[in-house]
Amino acid sequence: AQSVTQLDSQVPVFEEAPVELRCNYSSSVSVYLFWYVQYPNQGLQLLLKYLSGSTLVKGINGFEAEFNKSQTSFHLRKPSVHISDTAEYFCAVTSTNRDDKIIFGKGTRLHILP
Amino acid sequence: KAGVTQTPRYLIKTRGQQVTLSCSPISGHRSVSWYQQTPGQGLQFLFEYFSETQRNKGNFPGRFSGRQFSNSRSEMNVSTLELGDSALYLCASSSYDLGETQYFGPGTRLLVL
Repeated sequence: AQSVTQLDSQVPVFEEAPVELRCNYSSSVSVYLFWYVQYPNQGLQLLLKYLSGSTLVKGINGFEAEFNKSQTSFHLRKPSVHISDTAEYFCAVTSTNRDDKIIFGKGTRLHILP
Repeated sequence: KAGVTQTPRYLIKTRGQQVTLSCSPISGHRSVSWYQQTPGQGLQFLFEYFSETQRNKGNFPGRFSGRQFSNSRSEMNVSTLELGDSALYLCASSSYDLGETQYFGPGTRLLVL
């Protein structure tokens, strides 16, 4: 079984500053990894995903994440945040077994300070 | 393409009642997953249906059930509602594999009084 830990429940950051949201996972098998964003009163939207290949994954809205197998991490980064990035961010993991379910982290709320 | 739609968007029920939520996936998507989101527990997987068959199930009591129709539309039913069932229920569809992107609907917000 897989598990995912988002170490920070809330992250405050000033507008135009860089940000990193941390995600660690646990699995005994190969995994797919995802980051989703949830804006207020909306469903989740995929930011980016790692399936295979390059460990640096670029997503929408200027976000990127790096898969680190040795550290079992998949941290999300953005070099310069905007007020519109205020949202909750979820890391998720599933095994490469196509019949497995997706496990979500508890989320990190990103607060952008003016 | 139209996105994932969920009905109703808001629902208020009392303890002991039952409720049925509906999800229409993106056209062509055959996999539908349901999640419960609460402030305390976060996003928890309920179950996934693929081609009318339940393919995966989370750790929820038998009061939570679902089904999928031949047109891939899915319903989720909760019987004998409890206060703790108050949550945002999200539905997501994908084309086939779970490695594929999941597209989420806006959710149904259920309040149990």
